[in-house]
Amino acid sequence: EPEVTQTPSHQVTQMGQEVILRCVPISNHLYFYWYRQILGQKVEFLVSFYNNEISEKSEIFDDQFSVERPDGSNFTLKIRSTKLEDSAMYFCASSESRGKEETQYFGPGTRLLVL
Amino acid sequence: GDSVTQMEGPVTLSEEAFLTINCTYTATGYPSLFWYVQYPGEGLQLLLKATKADDKGSNKGFEATYRKETTSFHLEKGSVQVSDSAVYFCALSGGNTPLVFGNGTRLSVIA
Repeated sequence: EPEVTQTPSHQVTQMGQEVILRCVPISNHLYFYWYRQILGQKVEFLVSFYNNEISEKSEIFDDQFSVERPDGSNFTLKIRSTKLEDSAMYFCASSESRGKEETQYFGPGTRLLVL
Repeated sequence: GDSVTQMEGPVTLSEEAFLTINCTYTATGYPSLFWYVQYPGEGLQLLLKATKADDKGSNKGFEATYRKETTSFHLEKGSVQVSDSAVYFCALSGGNTPLVFGNGTRLSVIA
């Protein structure tokens, strides 16, 4: 069964450093998402991406964040200058289309720790 | 805005016990409702969903019914197993909007 994959599974970085989190969505899916979950808190939406551009973003997704689909398979989230409060589990998801009935399929997550 | 409220965990049950995890929502319009499960060390997996009022989603012995009148989508299972130990997330989708999640409820099932 096709699945969303994410790398790395864990990343430790120093405050102020740049990190890039990678995702490979399911191959025939057209919509891509990033969510995050700070330890002990709820899963929060960051950004959605379709047709090579951001379709929606939350207040969390400020200028320190960017997303890119550099080739036909990868979807990346870059945090330009990490802060302590960026420590969280980051989930990538993809869906075939958009709409309230559509299922988003999630990857296993990348646990980011900023020291 | 849209929101989801789940019962607080952790929930600890003995094997073969009956499970209910409460979920209520606030939304404009008629959202779709989902339960996702996160097993230890893994990502979020769709457990079941319902897209309109009175629909019942079911999978792996779990069920949830979309109740518009009480704005609820409670998760139930008649007889839990140790392998059901996980964190369960209720979520809604209001249309061309991202998923809105509840806080998650951790379930531990002991033999």
